[in-house]
Amino acid sequence: DGGITQSPKYLFRKEGQNVTLSCEQNLNHDAMYWYRQDPGQGLRLIYYSQIVNDFQKGDIAEGYSVSREKKESFPLTVTSAQKNPTAFYLCASSIRGRGEQFFGPGTRLTVL
Amino acid sequence: AQSVTQPDIHITVSEGASLELRCNYSYGATPYLFWYVQSPGQGLQLLLKYFSGDTLVQGIKGFEAEFKRSQSSFNLRKPSVHWSDAAEYFCAVGATNNAGNMLTFGGGTRLMVKP
Repeated sequence: DGGITQSPKYLFRKEGQNVTLSCEQNLNHDAMYWYRQDPGQGLRLIYYSQIVNDFQKGDIAEGYSVSREKKESFPLTVTSAQKNPTAFYLCASSIRGRGEQFFGPGTRLTVL
Repeated sequence: AQSVTQPDIHITVSEGASLELRCNYSYGATPYLFWYVQSPGQGLQLLLKYFSGDTLVQGIKGFEAEFKRSQSSFNLRKPSVHWSDAAEYFCAVGATNNAGNMLTFGGGTRLMVKP
């Protein structure tokens, strides 16, 4: 079954801690994306990567970091520098070039 | 830069009634347009897409959308709504550039269905 998996589904973090969200895809897509979604709002792009070992900042990259060491994986680290990290995080992937993005089920991060 | 506006934050319709969700976009060239649906606590599922050709596109779950270039719109329609259609709907416009295919999303429309 091809698709995108995100883990964990729910994540709790204490203030001042870094936390890493996992995103894996077996669709053989070159491009991967991370979005943040807050209640009642649309999706805002955090980071994206078009190829392995390369990634670009999106609209709200401050306080986040990513890596792209493998085509299948694009983990997102929420650092302690992110002032308001409680949100729903969505990972997506796509074929490079024009085309729709396919989304994972999301991770809900809550800072305690 | 492209942008998407979904004027209706909430819409309530009765089960069996018709539905139209509005989407207006701003983009300098011919856009790629998408509608996604999101159930609470879930990811986004693609309903339909427009790249070129026939301006009336059919999607899954009985949805369709019409691209109107003169109005910069891509409204989503369904002739008869089912209770399971209650969800949040997002319109998105895509651009292809050297950075790849980027999507810009509207703020979403939450659909509630009355029995």
